[in-house]
Amino acid sequence: GEDVEQSLFLSVREGDSSVINCTYTDSSSTYLYWYKQEPGAGLQLLTYIFSNMDMKQDQRLTVLLNKKDKHLSLRIADTQTGDSAIYFCAEGGTGRRALTFGSGTRLQVQP
Amino acid sequence: NAGVTQTPKFQVLKTGQSMTLQCAQDMNHEYMSWYRQDPGMGLRLIHYSVGAGITDQGEVPNGYNVSRSTTEDFPLRLLSAAPSQTSVYFCASRDGQGELFFGEGSRLTVL
Repeated sequence: GEDVEQSLFLSVREGDSSVINCTYTDSSSTYLYWYKQEPGAGLQLLTYIFSNMDMKQDQRLTVLLNKKDKHLSLRIADTQTGDSAIYFCAEGGTGRRALTFGSGTRLQVQP
Repeated sequence: NAGVTQTPKFQVLKTGQSMTLQCAQDMNHEYMSWYRQDPGMGLRLIHYSVGAGITDQGEVPNGYNVSRSTTEDFPLRLLSAAPSQTSVYFCASRDGQGELFFGEGSRLTVL
């Protein structure tokens, strides 16, 4: 079945860039997503990329997709303390297919 | 719009008790799903539904039942609670673009 892998933890200093990485196995994925979960809350969609794109930029967020290596990354520029959260990579989700989530990367931003 | 509403937010059960987690959405989404979130394991799909009257199993369906009598509601039933079902449960619905909208979660403890 599909599998999505992420590292569990990342710590950065305020103002630095954060890069969260994700690998997936299903080469037929149409969309790849990044979700953010703040403490005690549900997940919220942060951004997504269509599989025929290799980069998407949205303000401080840059998503890079290497389809050949099945590698997805999320770069947060000028990371703020409010960016501290768990970030989930997910793939799939069209038609009858459910999203497959990674285990989440906890981002800790130190002042 | 309220989005996705889950109740209760917190519940403590004894082993062997049954209960129902309620989920309602007011966005007229056909697709609804239930996930459980456990530390280090990300979100795992329990059951999902692609429309009223249609349900299907996800990755971890054992011990749970669902029904979908209306588009709006998708309750999750625990038939005989076990300590292994201690988790945070999220209901999510999906729009036509593939974006998942999550409820705030229900934290269940089974003693």
